[in-house]
Amino acid sequence: QSLLTQPPSVSGAPGQKVTISCTGSSSNFGTGYDAHWYQQLPGQAPKLLIYANTNRPSGVPDRFSASKSGTSASLVITGLQADDEADYYCQSFDNSLTGSVFGGGTKLTVL
Amino acid sequence: QVQLRESGPGLVKPSETLSLTCAISGESISTHYWSWVRQPPGRGLEWIGYFYFNGRTMYNPSLASRVTLSVDTSKNHFSLSLKSVTAADTAVYFCARRCDNGWCFVNWGQGSLVTVSS
Repeated sequence: QSLLTQPPSVSGAPGQKVTISCTGSSSNFGTGYDAHWYQQLPGQAPKLLIYANTNRPSGVPDRFSASKSGTSASLVITGLQADDEADYYCQSFDNSLTGSVFGGGTKLTVL
Repeated sequence: QVQLRESGPGLVKPSETLSLTCAISGESISTHYWSWVRQPPGRGLEWIGYFYFNGRTMYNPSLASRVTLSVDTSKNHFSLSLKSVTAADTAVYFCARRCDNGWCFVNWGQGSLVTVSS
């Protein structure tokens, strides 16, 4: 059981919006540590999608956005495209580990 | 731009030591934190540890008794050693660079599959 909980899967049709949740606790998000999000395409390394709760690295489309409130964080993808089909992971720092923790990952299927 | 490349044996016998190296190009190892993350087949990501060039290390408590991270500044690479491996250590091992201003991972290697089997 990860310290960050994500739904195993979400799905949506092309053009639609999906939201992926990430539930943490007082030892990570609740302490003030940031939420970060990664996209992992099949057979590839993870790619940083969102850092420090809401920020997109250069080159990430603005269809990807995220937020954090209290002990939870969310990733929103609008205008779904076929190549958004991937696994998405949230990540933070956790005091109980004195290190980083990943959510279990959410598989996005574009219908 | 920063590039990371993992290398090492793809097959390790149970009870032996897994050793991987991450070669860094485009950046000096003497800045930032560097890390290892692994992913068992079909499963999620697991943080292994952080390393800073001055010797500071941070390990996942679940692996701390078996893991050592080290650096060779002359070669601009850092290494992972995981002893007493079992089949549960079979995974793709990624090296990564920590973000400048947070505990995220901004650069990743392509990953190296290590299988533990006799």
